[in-house]
Amino acid sequence: SQQGEEDPQALSIQEGENATMNCSYKTSINNLQWYRQNSGRGLVHLILIRSNEREKHSGRLRVTLDTSKKSSSLLITASRAADTASYFCATGATGGGNKLTFGTGTQLKVEL
Amino acid sequence: DGGITQSPKYLFRKEGQNVTLSCEQNLNHDAMYWYRQDPGQGLRLIYYSQIVNDFQKGDIAEGYSVSREKKESFPLTVTSAQKNPTAFYLCASSIPGQGSREQYFGPGTRLTVT
Repeated sequence: SQQGEEDPQALSIQEGENATMNCSYKTSINNLQWYRQNSGRGLVHLILIRSNEREKHSGRLRVTLDTSKKSSSLLITASRAADTASYFCATGATGGGNKLTFGTGTQLKVEL
Repeated sequence: DGGITQSPKYLFRKEGQNVTLSCEQNLNHDAMYWYRQDPGQGLRLIYYSQIVNDFQKGDIAEGYSVSREKKESFPLTVTSAQKNPTAFYLCASSIPGQGSREQYFGPGTRLTVT
């Protein structure tokens, strides 16, 4: 079952602007992860935030997690054309073992 | 180089034929996964395996079968019973443990059935 829903479905910005993507989920989680997928390729792991964490940074990426609202956001600062890709959130449910449930993704286009 | 390989990149089959997609990893990961991706959708879990000789159904296992005879390999067979097999198939692996871990993905196989 698709647990994560992402918003917006598509986002187009100019290079240098910030991009924010949101993810909502339905059940209790151990952690939430963000992945990137270039067109026609496999997914690449970006960042993992645990359920007891509220914010995490990695380079130009900033992830927040609000477990009370069952939502997360991914912020990419100072975007570049090379950031153009689809971004997916994935949740590891409490008691779900190693399984991840992926959202539907946000397609980001960064224009020069 | 450590990583996951999937072959072939593109696969074409006639309706009614079974087809096997290859997935090999040299990351020494115990857990492996198969996902299906359709246009405009996220990934849906087909099967996963946490250890050799053991595997479990995911959310959309009907019409698919797997085997896990070696730690490095987790082939997926798309059978003729799968009603809509045309899709992009992704294999992944991870270190198992308490709670979900980062998954490493292969480049994918795009299957077209006509």
